[in-house]
Amino acid sequence: QLHLQESGPGLVKPSETLSLTCTVSGDSVGSSGYYWGWIRQPPGRGLEWIGSIYYSGSTYYNPSLKSRVTISMDTSTNQFSLKLGSVTAADTAMYYCAKHWPRFRAVSVGFWGQGTLVTVSS
Amino acid sequence: EIVLTQSPATLSLSPGETATLSCRASQSVNIYLAWYQQKPGQAPRLLIYDASNRATGIPARFSGSGSGTDFTLTITSLEPEDFAVYHCQQRTNWPLTFGPGTKVDMK
Repeated sequence: QLHLQESGPGLVKPSETLSLTCTVSGDSVGSSGYYWGWIRQPPGRGLEWIGSIYYSGSTYYNPSLKSRVTISMDTSTNQFSLKLGSVTAADTAMYYCAKHWPRFRAVSVGFWGQGTLVTVSS
Repeated sequence: EIVLTQSPATLSLSPGETATLSCRASQSVNIYLAWYQQKPGQAPRLLIYDASNRATGIPARFSGSGSGTDFTLTITSLEPEDFAVYHCQQRTNWPLTFGPGTKVDMK
């Protein structure tokens, strides 16, 4: 059974880099044809796609965040990671890691982690 | 970037009634639209993908329709556990975008 678990600091200072890791169990991040992604949700607001990575390593980013975002994958640890630089209070949100669905097309988000709350504050 | 709008913002209904939620895209997304349910304190759950395909384990009372720019999520005979926020999402191309959500609350 697929399980995704986000981990990382819950508090990040302004101007620093937010770093989160998603550990996948019950599946392989290297599975052919699948995309893995990060989505966030500020408190009381809607969902915002941050970016996604294909099993091959190709990445896709939200243009509004692209200059600050890096998503990477480590098949040896079965994890993928998010780095968001130069954070401000506007980056305070619940961060979800996820697996896209269906295979090869990534037209939806089929599986979600439970989310981790990251607060940006000094 | 394709912008999704959802209406109404809030829908107040009673158990047993039918909920009809709308999602409109700023340009055609073909059939590449998905619907999610989100309850307080929980991650979203995929209900529908490709406009009308129910995800695994989703009850038949949830149905999706539409293509191009206009889509509908219908929940027939609302159960108490169906009161939640519903989001639509498209990915006909990158970037993937979400609508602002419709809250279905109990009258």
